[in-house]
Amino acid sequence: EADIYQTPRYLVIGTGKKITLECSQTMGHDKMYWYQQDPGMELHLIHYSYGVNSTEKGDLSSESTVSRIRTEHFPLTLESARPSHTSQYLCASSGLQGAWGTEAFFGQGTRLTVV
Amino acid sequence: GQQLNQSPQSMFIQEGEDVSMNCTSSSIFNTWLWYKQEPGEGPVLLIALYKAGELTSNGRLTAQFGITRKDSFLNISASIPSDVGIYFCAGPDDMRFGAGTRLTVKP
Repeated sequence: EADIYQTPRYLVIGTGKKITLECSQTMGHDKMYWYQQDPGMELHLIHYSYGVNSTEKGDLSSESTVSRIRTEHFPLTLESARPSHTSQYLCASSGLQGAWGTEAFFGQGTRLTVV
Repeated sequence: GQQLNQSPQSMFIQEGEDVSMNCTSSSIFNTWLWYKQEPGEGPVLLIALYKAGELTSNGRLTAQFGITRKDSFLNISASIPSDVGIYFCAGPDDMRFGAGTRLTVKP
């Protein structure tokens, strides 16, 4: 079983609020990723990190920001939530072998609803 | 980034039937990964392929790494209702996923 955890699982929040989605892994993985996914749809890479103090933007333009101060922790922040941010956010991590290691492990996701 | 094309987009099959889906890439991959995602969960790795021409099985699942290194196939034999979900291919070189194949299995 993957040791990568996301909190909260579900979040309903009002427009304009600042939110932080948490992602932690205990596998010592250097690489971590955030994906945005609407129900039943594609996975869109929005942020990734190769290690501490490394963050890069992915394909999908996102108003969110990320930080990587500790290896095990990769939080995602929305400064001012809007209804268009309603989606599922998935965090993943992988080791150093190759681009992804032998596999990427995913958290269970945070389902965000902005009202 | 690299373009990943996955097909078919959806499949509706009867329990017991075999399933086949594939992915093609616009460039050469060194590794192919196949994931399954069930509703409300994150994707879980099914099979990893590391060598061109490699054929790997995991129970009723069989996946192949194409000789050209630009494609991969996933087959599911004798499908059962719990096979329902979205199947994604992924090329680790740039951490992107295919659009997914949505599988529905009718009992």
